[in-house]
Amino acid sequence: QLQLQESGPGLVKPSETLSLTCTVSGGSISSTTYYWGWFRQPPGKGLEWIGSISYSGGTYYTPSLKSRVTMSVATSKNQFSLNLSSVTAADTAVYYCARHWSFQFDSWGQGTLVTVSS
Amino acid sequence: QSALTQPASVSGSPGQSITISCTGTSSDVGSYNLVSWYQHHPGKAPKLIIYEGTKRPSGVSNRFSGSKSGNTASLTISGLQAEDEADYYCCSYAGSSTWVFGGGTKLTVL
Repeated sequence: QLQLQESGPGLVKPSETLSLTCTVSGGSISSTTYYWGWFRQPPGKGLEWIGSISYSGGTYYTPSLKSRVTMSVATSKNQFSLNLSSVTAADTAVYYCARHWSFQFDSWGQGTLVTVSS
Repeated sequence: QSALTQPASVSGSPGQSITISCTGTSSDVGSYNLVSWYQHHPGKAPKLIIYEGTKRPSGVSNRFSGSKSGNTASLTISGLQAEDEADYYCCSYAGSSTWVFGGGTKLTVL
């Protein structure tokens, strides 16, 4: 059974870079069938798709965050990562990773809370 | 790219049916039969329950069904059960390899 687990700092200072890693177990990240996605949910708000990456490094990003987002993949570790630069309090959210299959997201991690505060 | 519009909350009694709407635009919901729905129990991983508008993943109860009319997609849950109490999110492909979610609907089983 596929499992995804987000990890990274729970507290990031304003203007710094938020960095998270998603570790995939129970399946290989090196599949041409899937992309791998990042999402976030600010407190009291809905989900937001941040972007998706293929095992070979092809990326799609949401237009509103494109200038600050970088995603990468480490196939040897079965991991993919998110970097979000120049963060502000508005970036405080629970961040999720998920498997991106065709036009939907079919397996998710439980999420990790990242707070932006000095 | 704006978020899809969902009612903030819906409620129903056990055994009843409820419908959650998801309104987008002609650029997303109206243009593609590519709406997906997710069930989210807080603190747990979201779960895909409907994809491509009407399809159910293996293992998802047939009490969940999806439909679309124009720019509005809908999720219907029949035979409500206590375990259905959760947050529900719609998501639509919005073209140019982008996706947009709804604001979420909290379902309360009375």
